[in-house]
Amino acid sequence: EPEVTQTPSHQVTQMGQEVILRCVPISNHLYFYWYRQILGQKVEFLVSFYNNEISEKSEIFDDQFSVERPDGSNFTLKIRSTKLEDSAMYFCASSEGPKGNQPQHFGDGTRLSIL
Amino acid sequence: AQSVTQLDSQVPVFEEAPVELRCNYSSSVSVYLFWYVQYPNQGLQLLLKYLSGSTLVKGINGFEAEFNKSQTSFHLRKPSVHISDTAEYFCAVSDNNAGNMLTFGGGTRLMVKP
Repeated sequence: EPEVTQTPSHQVTQMGQEVILRCVPISNHLYFYWYRQILGQKVEFLVSFYNNEISEKSEIFDDQFSVERPDGSNFTLKIRSTKLEDSAMYFCASSEGPKGNQPQHFGDGTRLSIL
Repeated sequence: AQSVTQLDSQVPVFEEAPVELRCNYSSSVSVYLFWYVQYPNQGLQLLLKYLSGSTLVKGINGFEAEFNKSQTSFHLRKPSVHISDTAEYFCAVSDNNAGNMLTFGGGTRLMVKP
């Protein structure tokens, strides 16, 4: 069964440094997402992306965050200047289409630790 | 705005016993409902979904859930659990107006004991 893959599984970064989290969505999916889960809290939506544009973003997704599809397979989340509160598990997801009845499939996540 | 409430943060249960994990949602529009399971050190796996039609939906690993519109609930059930069902279970909701954004509940940790 096709799956979403994320790398690295664990990233440790000094505060203030830039970090890039990578994802390879399922190949025939057109919509891509990032979510995060701070330890002990809910999974929160960050951003959705389609046709090389952001479709929707949450209040969390401020100017320090950006997303990109640099080639035909990868989807990346960049955090420009990391803060301690960015420490979380980051999940990438993809779906065939944009509608709510098209389920999202998730990767195993990247655990980001900011020191 | 949508919200999802999972009333139980932890549910301990003995192996082969039945279990119900509760989920309530609020939304001003029609919704689609999902249950995801997260095994230790793994990602979120889709367990089952309600999109339309029959209010009783069946998923993987013997789980089922029933959509109750009047009670705005989507409780997850399994008649007989196994040790391997020990995991975190997340209820989530989306609609066609939210850019396919999923709103998650806080999760319920199911702990199956021998």
